[in-house]
Amino acid sequence: QKEVEQNSGPLSVPEGAIASLNCTYSDRGSQSFFWYRQYSGKSPELIMFIYSNGDKEDGRFTAQLNKASQYVSLLIRDSQPSDSATYLCAVTTSGAGSYQLTFGKGTKLSVIP
Amino acid sequence: DAGITQSPRYKITETGRQVTLMCHQTWSHSYMFWYRQDLGHGLRLIYYSAAADITDKGEVPDGYVVSRSKTENFPLTLESATRSQTSVYFCASTAGGPSTGELFFGEGSRLTVL
Repeated sequence: QKEVEQNSGPLSVPEGAIASLNCTYSDRGSQSFFWYRQYSGKSPELIMFIYSNGDKEDGRFTAQLNKASQYVSLLIRDSQPSDSATYLCAVTTSGAGSYQLTFGKGTKLSVIP
Repeated sequence: DAGITQSPRYKITETGRQVTLMCHQTWSHSYMFWYRQDLGHGLRLIYYSAAADITDKGEVPDGYVVSRSKTENFPLTLESATRSQTSVYFCASTAGGPSTGELFFGEGSRLTVL
């Protein structure tokens, strides 16, 4: 069973702080890594993807990937109350056959004004 | 409007009834997916389709049937609904291949089975 693990939270941070969301995965053959944001009662939306080791920055968001440690993270700088949502980590897994994208259960983030 | 739409958005049904959830996308994306989302389980793939007339099982296919006669439509049918199928169902699509994770989701269909 290929797994993607996230701390369910809730993670509470004050407005303006850095929020750090973590994700580990079990399949060493995983190639692509994604972060989705899901507001309560809404559908997931893609906010970041990363394919190579290291950091990838997009505005206030930074995705970090360490394939050796099988770890991917999302940093949100200058957190805003509008960032309050559940963040889903998704990982493409290796192997032939069925579709290979596995979601974690998500981490709920609350940004406190 | 372009995009991916699901219907109905809300549905209440009884155990044993047949229910069909509709999904329509206007992007001509090759891949379409059905996920269910439950507390404690996250998003789980039910079925997916790589193209018209090509479908395959995901992680939790039992009790569900899909078809894809046209690229833009991907209906999900619960042939005999059970209470365990109470969930929020999301349809998604992407133009990419089997390893892409860049999915576009519909707004979801909330199904309650009494």
